[in-house]
Amino acid sequence: AQRVTQPEKLLSVFKGAPVELKCNYSYSGSPELFWYVQYSRQRLQLLLRHISRESIKGFTADLNKGETSFHLKKPFAQEEDSAMYYCALSGRGAQKLVFGQGTRLTINP
Amino acid sequence: DAGVTQSPTHLIKTRGQQVTLRCSPISGHKSVSWYQQVLGQGPQFIFQYYEKEERGRGNFPDRFSARQFPNYSSELNVNALLLGDSALYLCASSLEAAPRVNTEAFFGQGTRLTVV
Repeated sequence: AQRVTQPEKLLSVFKGAPVELKCNYSYSGSPELFWYVQYSRQRLQLLLRHISRESIKGFTADLNKGETSFHLKKPFAQEEDSAMYYCALSGRGAQKLVFGQGTRLTINP
Repeated sequence: DAGVTQSPTHLIKTRGQQVTLRCSPISGHKSVSWYQQVLGQGPQFIFQYYEKEERGRGNFPDRFSARQFPNYSSELNVNALLLGDSALYLCASSLEAAPRVNTEAFFGQGTRLTVV
């Protein structure tokens, strides 16, 4: 079964503090992993994908196949990072995205 | 380019009625996918269409159907509406059928459907 679990519905940190949003997945095979973000009153948009190995807006995510995790990290949180974050996976060669329930990140000044 | 556009933005229907939601993909995009997002949950895959053919179907009843037109726009139809169908319906378009390195799924703002 394909499943994405984001254990924290809400996460609140202070500006300048490190941030880690957890994501664990269940998939029989080699999935592609993504992080999507939705800022207030904006549409859902891709933040980063594991296959690109990029750092976007200071965020990074490493795929750990042993722990089946794809945690999103940023060393120093900024107020503009406040948003809803969704972890998602897809099978190779498939467009279907399986989303987690999301984590609402709030950065306090 | 306005991005992926969906209409209407909001809709209220009565139980048992039928509804049609519309999606216009980004120009040049041939793949359209539909998702249902219930309050407090992540989006759940309903359908994918690519080049006017169904490429994937999620775990939804037959009351849900969709199609893609020659101009790549798409419609999602839901018959015999239930209260549980109340949700945000998202459309996403992409250049190709699968998420490769240089392509991504772009989402619309969604249609908020309320069934009363």
